Amino acid sequence: GEDVEQSLFLSVREGDSSVINCTYTDSSSTYLYWYKQEPGAGLQLLTYIFSNMDMKQDQRLTVLLNKKDKHLSLRIADTQTGDSAIYFCAEKENTGGFKTIFGAGTRLFVKA
Amino acid sequence: ETGVTQTPRHLVMGMTNKKSLKCEQHLGHNAMYWYKQSAKKPLELMFVYSLEERVENNSVPSRFSPECPNSSHLFLHLHTLQPEDSALYLCASSPYSTDNSPLHFGNGTRLTVT
Repeated sequence: GEDVEQSLFLSVREGDSSVINCTYTDSSSTYLYWYKQEPGAGLQLLTYIFSNMDMKQDQRLTVLLNKKDKHLSLRIADTQTGDSAIYFCAEKENTGGFKTIFGAGTRLFVKA
Repeated sequence: ETGVTQTPRHLVMGMTNKKSLKCEQHLGHNAMYWYKQSAKKPLELMFVYSLEERVENNSVPSRFSPECPNSSHLFLHLHTLQPEDSALYLCASSPYSTDNSPLHFGNGTRLTVT
């Protein structure tokens, strides 16, 4: 079945870049997503990328997709303490199905 | 303000209790979902409703019973739960269940089973 894997923790200093990595298994996925969860809240869509793209940039966020290796990354430039949260990688199966498959989430700690 | 509202935010219940979680979405979406979030585990999809019809039941124990009276409201009825059912229960919605539109989540109900 489909599987999405990500490391559980990442710690960076304020002002540095953060890179959160994810691997997925479903090669038919059309869309891949990054969601952010702040304490006490639900998940909020951060950005997404089409599978026919290699890169997407949105202000401080850069998403890189390596389809051959089924590897997705999220880079946050100039990381701020407000970026401390859990970041979830997700894929949507491309078979007209209902499931969005999530990873376990990477908890980002930003040290001042 | 989130377009998906969940109540209550916190719930503590004994194993013999019956309680219900409520979700309401104000986004005009046709699909609604229940997810279970446990620490250090991927989100687990529990149920999917499309136009008030259940289209997915992801091997969830019968002690969890969903109800979708209309496309704006979703309930999760709970009875005779186990301590391992303690988790954050998230409701989500999307325009349709079969397209690639992202999910919109509520803030969740933190459930503790004692």
